[in-house]
Amino acid sequence: QQQVKQSPQSLIVQKGGISIINCAYENTAFDYFPWYQQFPGKGPALLIAIRPDVSEKKEGRFTISFNKSAKQFSLHIMDSQPGDSATYFCAARGDYGQNFVFGPGTRLSVLP
Amino acid sequence: GAGVSQSPRYKVAKRGQDVALRCDPISGHVSLFWYQQALGQGPEFLTYFQNEAQLDKSGLPSDRFFAERPEGSVSTLKIQRTQQEDSAVYLCASSLEGLAQPQHFGDGTRLSIL
Repeated sequence: QQQVKQSPQSLIVQKGGISIINCAYENTAFDYFPWYQQFPGKGPALLIAIRPDVSEKKEGRFTISFNKSAKQFSLHIMDSQPGDSATYFCAARGDYGQNFVFGPGTRLSVLP
Repeated sequence: GAGVSQSPRYKVAKRGQDVALRCDPISGHVSLFWYQQALGQGPEFLTYFQNEAQLDKSGLPSDRFFAERPEGSVSTLKIQRTQQEDSAVYLCASSLEGLAQPQHFGDGTRLSIL
């Protein structure tokens, strides 16, 4: 059972453009939502995270938008760069547990 | 300090063999997690330790999978009688104690079962 859905599966963006990745969840017990970036042959690296008591969090070029009523959250990458080309995973964790549930990933390619 | 270290980076085994994968967490990190990542998929939770106690092993796919962390630091994931479907990248992550702490991942062990 896929508890976190993620779209699109792949994304191609021109350099300088905005990359947008969307995630949706069903379990209302989830209360922590990180985004991870993974390069080939490397482990996932934490990019940015949000709790549901805020609707938006921005760190540099990366912004998370969170819609608690719709149970949806998204990652926006502003001024996308070729170095941003990687696979991005959204995740969720419930307050009752410690492990993350990951989405299936979005493969981002930023063209120079 | 150093990040999460996993060894070996690559492991090839024949079907039916036993394998052991090692994880060295970040020093001082109380929590340790194992995940399995199939090709082109997101990581899937296997098991979780807080210090030496295994608090959650609900993600282990079968009784052929066993994990331990006897001294609350280094952890070993063991897979007995390996099957081809065990082929995946096995990721280890660690974090400080507490629900709000981020998980830091190692680069994983790529396991290939022939």
